[in-house]
Amino acid sequence: IQLTQSPSSLSASVGDRVTITCRASQGISSYLAWYQQKPGKAPKLLIYAASTLQSGVPSRFSGSGSGTDFTLTISSLQPEDFATYYCQQLNSYLWTFGQGTKVEIK
Amino acid sequence: QVQLQESGPGLVKPSETLSLTCTVSGGSISSYYWSWIRQPPGKGLEWIGYIYYSGSTNYNPSLKSRVTISVDTSKNQFSLKLSSVTAADTAVYYCARRGYSYEAHYYYYYMDVWGKGTTVTVSS
Repeated sequence: IQLTQSPSSLSASVGDRVTITCRASQGISSYLAWYQQKPGKAPKLLIYAASTLQSGVPSRFSGSGSGTDFTLTISSLQPEDFATYYCQQLNSYLWTFGQGTKVEIK
Repeated sequence: QVQLQESGPGLVKPSETLSLTCTVSGGSISSYYWSWIRQPPGKGLEWIGYIYYSGSTNYNPSLKSRVTISVDTSKNQFSLKLSSVTAADTAVYYCARRGYSYEAHYYYYYMDVWGKGTTVTVSS
């Protein structure tokens, strides 16, 4: 199963609403997770089951979708949110990541 | 809380075998799936494979012929071996745990605990 994220990168300002999409090559129900990665650090789990916020993650992050189309939304971008975001499917016995979306400061 | 720590050589020669170990602390290796993921310089994440504590495995088809993941429950460790390495295998290698949650009659999975990563360079 391939995951295609869009856009590959985006520039945004603090306070902006940001949306990242992830499309699966076949249906994966809600078996999708989102991660945030900052330079030199391991990825951090944000959302699983497409829309469930991991404990401790700020509520400005939200996820939606099922089947093949998913979105990660940051309602009001904060300085600490500038990072690269990855989706991952764990529906099949072969796991895959999207190619990543880099969120940069405008 | 559970913590993971990767260890192994930071430099491997071409055609040789890359060997890494992930040590699980603060919890048991039992009842979970454990995975290796890598990230080449400036690139995205690539799932390598996983192992269940009982020993069953699954690998990325693109690496399957060269990868072996094993587990040692007595040491609370699991390991990665990647044979016949080339410069393309230069990457940061992460180990991670597949966590799970039971919601609305379904189990959902995610990588909830990650090691800090270890850089492996393939060069003569």
